[in-house]
Amino acid sequence: EADIYQTPRYLVIGTGKKITLECSQTMGHDKMYWYQQDPGMELHLIHYSYGVNSTEKGDLSSESTVSRIRTEHFPLTLESARPSHTSQYLCASSESQGMLTEAFFGQGTRLTVV
Amino acid sequence: AQSVTQPDIHITVSEGASLELRCNYSYGATPYLFWYVQSPGQGLQLLLKYFSGDTLVQGIKGFEAEFKRSQSSFNLRKPSVHWSDAAEYFCAVGGGSNTDKLIFGTGTRLQVFP
Repeated sequence: EADIYQTPRYLVIGTGKKITLECSQTMGHDKMYWYQQDPGMELHLIHYSYGVNSTEKGDLSSESTVSRIRTEHFPLTLESARPSHTSQYLCASSESQGMLTEAFFGQGTRLTVV
Repeated sequence: AQSVTQPDIHITVSEGASLELRCNYSYGATPYLFWYVQSPGQGLQLLLKYFSGDTLVQGIKGFEAEFKRSQSSFNLRKPSVHWSDAAEYFCAVGGGSNTDKLIFGTGTRLQVFP
């Protein structure tokens, strides 16, 4: 059983609000990732981290930011939510060898900005 | 360009019938190939992966996949589908110098009728 958790599962919020999507893992993995998933579209990597104090932007440009102050925690923040941010956000983690081993995914946060 | 194509957006099968989900990839380096499954309301779970060696790979839940380099394909199969297999299936490719990024397909939604 994968031990990676995302909260909230669902979030409906008004335009202009600041939001933080939480992601925590208890497996001690160094590498963590945020993917954006839209219906009928590929998963797109938006952020990743190699470890504490490491953050990198992914392939898909995103207005969100991330931080990695603790190994187990990798929150994603939107300073001012817009309807274009409506999507599902998936957090994942893997061992130091990266995604070529096995990635463990959280259940996702479905964000709706109205 | 690196890409993964899953030509079937939606497949419906009867319980007990055989299943084949198609995946074609375009990748410049030696590919590492993966199949992930996403059950409703859940995160993605790794079904199987191919790095090298035997081109027929066995995975969890009775799934297998065959790597065909000449066809750039990595199709997923199961001889007898169970109702609990209803989910979305994602093919992904990675490799080369980058161990942190997988390229995902758009997914195939499998519906199983009793």
